[in-house]
Amino acid sequence: DQQVKQNSPSLSVQEGRISILNCDYTNSMFDYFLWYKKYPAEGPTFLISISSIKDKNEDGRFTVFLNKSAKHLSLHIVPSQPGDSAVYFCAASVGSNTGKLIFGQGTTLQVKP
Amino acid sequence: DGGITQSPKYLFRKEGQNVTLSCEQNLNHDAMYWYRQDPGQGLRLIYYSQIVNDFQKGDIAEGYSVSREKKESFPLTVTSAQKNPTAFYLCASIPRGGSGANVLTFGAGSRLTVL
Repeated sequence: DQQVKQNSPSLSVQEGRISILNCDYTNSMFDYFLWYKKYPAEGPTFLISISSIKDKNEDGRFTVFLNKSAKHLSLHIVPSQPGDSAVYFCAASVGSNTGKLIFGQGTTLQVKP
Repeated sequence: DGGITQSPKYLFRKEGQNVTLSCEQNLNHDAMYWYRQDPGQGLRLIYYSQIVNDFQKGDIAEGYSVSREKKESFPLTVTSAQKNPTAFYLCASIPRGGSGANVLTFGAGSRLTVL
């Protein structure tokens, strides 16, 4: 039972345009959501997070939107840069301050120059 | 610089052999975790430890064992009982308590290939 799903395995965008990565979840108990970025043969690095008490969190070029009624979140990257090309994982947890995360399958983003 | 060190980076194993993956952190984090990544799949939790000399099974603990004798170290043993051991293994840690939200910090990973 996949509790966190990223239905798009890959996404290709032009440099300077917006990248939108989507994530759906099924468990209503999840109240904290994170996005990680991963390069090949490296560990994931934390990008941005959002608590369920918010519907938007912004950090520079990265914005995460949370729609609790739809159990959906999205990561917007504006403007996209070639260095953003990586695999992006959505993750969810019950409570913050925990390392017990449920991850989606990942979306490979390619930003073309 | 503080961080998580995993070794070896690449490891080859014959079927039937046990192997141990090392994970050391100098972040002074209390809790440590082992995740496994397979192609096209998300990371899945194998084992975790929130304090020295204590650990709990994650979602896919069968065929694995761990120990937590020191705060800094959380080695993972992949036993011959693990049916599909070929994967990318990631160690991670997080502090406990404190104000604000803490996030999981990962090591660079160890790729295990069973021949």
